[in-house]
Amino acid sequence: KAGVTQTPRYLIKTRGQQVTLSCSPISGHRSVSWYQQTPGQGLQFLFEYFSETQRNKGNFPGRFSGRQFSNSRSEMNVSTLELGDSALYLCASSLGSGGFRTGELFFGEGSRLTVL
Amino acid sequence: GQNIDQPTEMTATEGAIVQINCTYQTSGFNGLFWYQQHAGEAPTFLSYNVLDGLEEKGRFSSFLSRSKGYSYLLLKELQMKDSASYLCAVRGTDKLIFGTGTRLQVFP
Repeated sequence: KAGVTQTPRYLIKTRGQQVTLSCSPISGHRSVSWYQQTPGQGLQFLFEYFSETQRNKGNFPGRFSGRQFSNSRSEMNVSTLELGDSALYLCASSLGSGGFRTGELFFGEGSRLTVL
Repeated sequence: GQNIDQPTEMTATEGAIVQINCTYQTSGFNGLFWYQQHAGEAPTFLSYNVLDGLEEKGRFSSFLSRSKGYSYLLLKELQMKDSASYLCAVRGTDKLIFGTGTRLQVFP
């Protein structure tokens, strides 16, 4: 069964631009979570979507947004990019939502964003 | 607030045993996870603890004490391929929150 697929894998943007990242979860998984990973901060939770509804949100500014489609695919968008947004953005899917006790996450390879 | 602490780096020798500790403070508790992440790769699931005690899975074991807000991951018979970052994550009332990870280097 195919794993979590993220596109694009690598991208370079300049300050002020915006970017959209895509995530296709494992077939049958309805929950998609997004994380930002940087060397100093580790994995920081961005948001979680379940059945097209945002269930949880981390402590990121409003420039970071996301959505989930009826086929469970998800996108996240970052507007007005800043240098500090350079990071690996990981998407993870699971069967259940945040309160699901055994909600093991399956991660994609990530989208590495560099902001110049 | 929510906080997860684990050592930044550890080193060990091939064939040895290493214990990676994790302490946490979260709003609510619905389980603790350990993930392994090799450089340049996605994190992969290692273990899950929701009750106190030890869970053993081959060379890897994970322990949980909810009253102490403490967990450890025990790696036995270390192999070179175990060189990776080990991420402790706690599911509180809703979100799954990760620690910053422990980078383990295994030397021959």
